[in-house]
Amino acid sequence: DQQVKQNSPSLSVQEGRISILNCDYTNSMFDYFLWYKKYPAEGPTFLISISSIKDKNEDGRFTVFLNKSAKHLSLHIVPSQPGDSAVYFCAASDNNDMRFGAGTRLTVKP
Amino acid sequence: DGGITQSPKYLFRKEGQNVTLSCEQNLNHDAMYWYRQDPGQGLRLIYYSQIVNDFQKGDIAEGYSVSREKKESFPLTVTSAQKNPTAFYLCASRGGQGYGEAFFGQGTRLTVV
Repeated sequence: DQQVKQNSPSLSVQEGRISILNCDYTNSMFDYFLWYKKYPAEGPTFLISISSIKDKNEDGRFTVFLNKSAKHLSLHIVPSQPGDSAVYFCAASDNNDMRFGAGTRLTVKP
Repeated sequence: DGGITQSPKYLFRKEGQNVTLSCEQNLNHDAMYWYRQDPGQGLRLIYYSQIVNDFQKGDIAEGYSVSREKKESFPLTVTSAQKNPTAFYLCASRGGQGYGEAFFGQGTRLTVV
């Protein structure tokens, strides 16, 4: 049973516009959430995280929103840049393990 | 430099052989994880360890084994019982008692020939 779901396998946006990547989770014990960016044949790199005591965390062009009641989080990238093109994974954790979604491939067109 | 190192980057194995993937970290992290990624797929959790001499099965532990004899090291053995071992394997470590970012190694691509 997949505990973390990213239902959009791909997303294409124009440079300068907003990219919104979505993630849903099922385990209410998850209380810390992370977003990673990944290129082929490399390890993921950390982007931004949020604790369940918050509903928003911002870092430069990246903002993560958390809706605990809906068990939903989203990553907003604004403005989007061609260098943002990659696969984005969300992850959810409790004090023990850490589970990832299937990823969303973002393509930012010049 | 602090970091997490996986070796080798590429590994070839004959069917029926066991093979061990190395993962070492010098970040003083307590938690370590192994994930598997198949083409076009997400990261699936194989095993994780929160402390030395203790580890837990993830979602796809069958056909794999791990050990955690030292804080710095969390090797993964892919046994002959793993039916489809060809994949990209990623190791991660994490501090902050479960509330920090996880750092990943560069991965090992295992191919069964």
